[in-house]
Amino acid sequence: KAGVTQTPRYLIKTRGQQVTLSCSPISGHRSVSWYQQTPGQGLQFLFEYFSETQRNKGNFPGRFSGRQFSNSRSEMNVSTLELGDSALYLCASSSSGGAKLSYNEQFFGPGTRLTVL
Amino acid sequence: ELKVEQNPLFLSMQEGKNYTIYCNYSTTSDRLYWYRQDPGKSLESLFVLLSNGAVKQEGRLMASLDTKARLSTLHITAAVHDLSATYFCAVDMHWGDNQFYFGTGTSLTVIP
Repeated sequence: KAGVTQTPRYLIKTRGQQVTLSCSPISGHRSVSWYQQTPGQGLQFLFEYFSETQRNKGNFPGRFSGRQFSNSRSEMNVSTLELGDSALYLCASSSSGGAKLSYNEQFFGPGTRLTVL
Repeated sequence: ELKVEQNPLFLSMQEGKNYTIYCNYSTTSDRLYWYRQDPGKSLESLFVLLSNGAVKQEGRLMASLDTKARLSTLHITAAVHDLSATYFCAVDMHWGDNQFYFGTGTSLTVIP
């Protein structure tokens, strides 16, 4: 079973630009969550999409947005980039529990390293 | 908001020694997750702890959960160099809710 894939793996942008990151979940998984990882703030939840709907949202400004397509692939967009947006962006794929699991099992992709100059 | 704290933040230990990483969280939750992250890599799931008193072991790592104390521990036995990595604990608040709150991480270096 193929794992979670993220593209691109590395990205360099300048302040004020916008960027779109992509995440393809494990086949059959309908939930995709996004996290930002920085040395200062650690791992922080951005948002989760399930069946094309945003189900949860973290405490990030409106410059951070996302969407999910009917094939469960998800994109995350950051507009008007700031230096502080430099981070590793991880997406996580989940079957969203289903009937057999009593916990939330998330599988993480390799991440996209975004550098804002 | 749920807060998750880990300590220590940095841990340097000699091969063969034992040590424990602690994870405290601020709100009631019955689910605690441990992940490992190698430099430049993604997160690898190590353990899922689902109830008070749960204990899981894999090789030289053993994790436990005390939901009443809101505390989980990750115990390392007879450390080897391959265990060098950053370890994160994470908690969620609701089943079916894929919003994880991560600890600060513990950077472990095992010295030969």
